[in-house]
Amino acid sequence: DSGVTQTPKHLITATGQRVTLRCSPRSGDLSVYWYQQSLDQGLQFLIQYYNGEERAKGNILERFSAQQFPDLHSELNLSSLELGDSALYFCASSARGVGTEAFFGQGTRLTVV
Amino acid sequence: GQNIDQPTEMTATEGAIVQINCTYQTSGFNGLFWYQQHAGEAPTFLSYNVLDGLEEKGRFSSFLSRSKGYSYLLLKELQMKDSASYLCAEQAGTALIFGKGTTLSVSS
Repeated sequence: DSGVTQTPKHLITATGQRVTLRCSPRSGDLSVYWYQQSLDQGLQFLIQYYNGEERAKGNILERFSAQQFPDLHSELNLSSLELGDSALYFCASSARGVGTEAFFGQGTRLTVV
Repeated sequence: GQNIDQPTEMTATEGAIVQINCTYQTSGFNGLFWYQQHAGEAPTFLSYNVLDGLEEKGRFSSFLSRSKGYSYLLLKELQMKDSASYLCAEQAGTALIFGKGTTLSVSS
């Protein structure tokens, strides 16, 4: 158990809908990363937060947004969902933003039908 | 920008040694990580290099050459359970960017 909790584990929704994925980092970790992993792709970096502030942005679509709350949990919002958004979404946390290993949650498997 | 290259697939036999290479091109380098990921599971941390040289951890070792933008993961005494994807990841600034991974198949 990495100590990073992601909910829900599975999510099935229809095209055009909006969903929210939740991540609770390890106790004491300030940095949260979000990744998307499709079958034929590696881990695509979406966005990183550090202590409530956005720190780095990757290939995140405009339909997607995220935030980190004062208690350090984070949410990833996906809207106007398309079939191609079906993927495994991972959250990872690390103690600091740089130079420390990131621990991954078990992921949320999103299926858009 | 970031461009991380590693072989797509490798095969090896139990008890052998395998080396998985990774090259990267970026600015703002803050370290090189290796992760292991079994199918359908979360990646787990294996090693971290920020200075040139070899880091050894049991059966696994990782090497870094910053001037060459090159790293490798060395796995010794391979076991069947080592069959997995091995992900090279560069910390560029504060972002942690992953390569597409190398799928290693270990056979008996």
